[in-house]
Amino acid sequence: DTAVSQTPKYLVTQMGNDKSIKCEQNLGHDTMYWYKQDSKKFLKIMFSYNNKELIINETVPNRFSPKSPDKAHLNLHINSLELGDSAVYFCASCLGSSGNTIYFGEGSWLTVV
Amino acid sequence: AQKVTQAQTEISVVEKEDVTLDCVYETRDTTYYLFWYKQPPSGELVFLIRRNSFDEQNEISGRYSWNFQKSTSSFNFTITASQVVDSAVYFCALRPLYNTDKLIFGTGTRLQVFP
Repeated sequence: DTAVSQTPKYLVTQMGNDKSIKCEQNLGHDTMYWYKQDSKKFLKIMFSYNNKELIINETVPNRFSPKSPDKAHLNLHINSLELGDSAVYFCASCLGSSGNTIYFGEGSWLTVV
Repeated sequence: AQKVTQAQTEISVVEKEDVTLDCVYETRDTTYYLFWYKQPPSGELVFLIRRNSFDEQNEISGRYSWNFQKSTSSFNFTITASQVVDSAVYFCALRPLYNTDKLIFGTGTRLQVFP
């Protein structure tokens, strides 16, 4: 019954590798997001999509490429991973953009070694 | 500028104490939404409350209550009779209706409740 689910929950990988994190929501929402939480717990938006269309790209390096095959899915692909990419990545979703509640997934813990 | 400030980095209390977590926000928008989220040690982000800028009524949900004061741009969160399970990082967030479609988070307050 998980509303926003993301996989994998934990990911340990070497520098230079390419990895993907998948996200799916079953809430019928049309807007999805990726947020990054750094080691100091600071949460910041990376991307938002509305009906598969990119709305926000918050000055994220080109190595990060989101892909939304449909409005229930928003995957995050990261190329050439760097040590600084180690963080928790949260997927989230919302109905529309009129101030409605944004619901988050459980987070994906990425560690780059 | 849009900004959320949670000045309390960490708070420690003993079970059954009341505790208030402060949140001050900045925005030029007249319509906006405020949120609180809880992040327990297991790491997920749990939605607690959403309040729009036109509704200044205080809200109570069980042991949780929220005080929204537009005059001081504050949206404080009080836990009454705290319990160990309340131990978590709590985030206040601002979502302006116009100009940008994103949640702007504060830096969070870590609450530790000791038995």
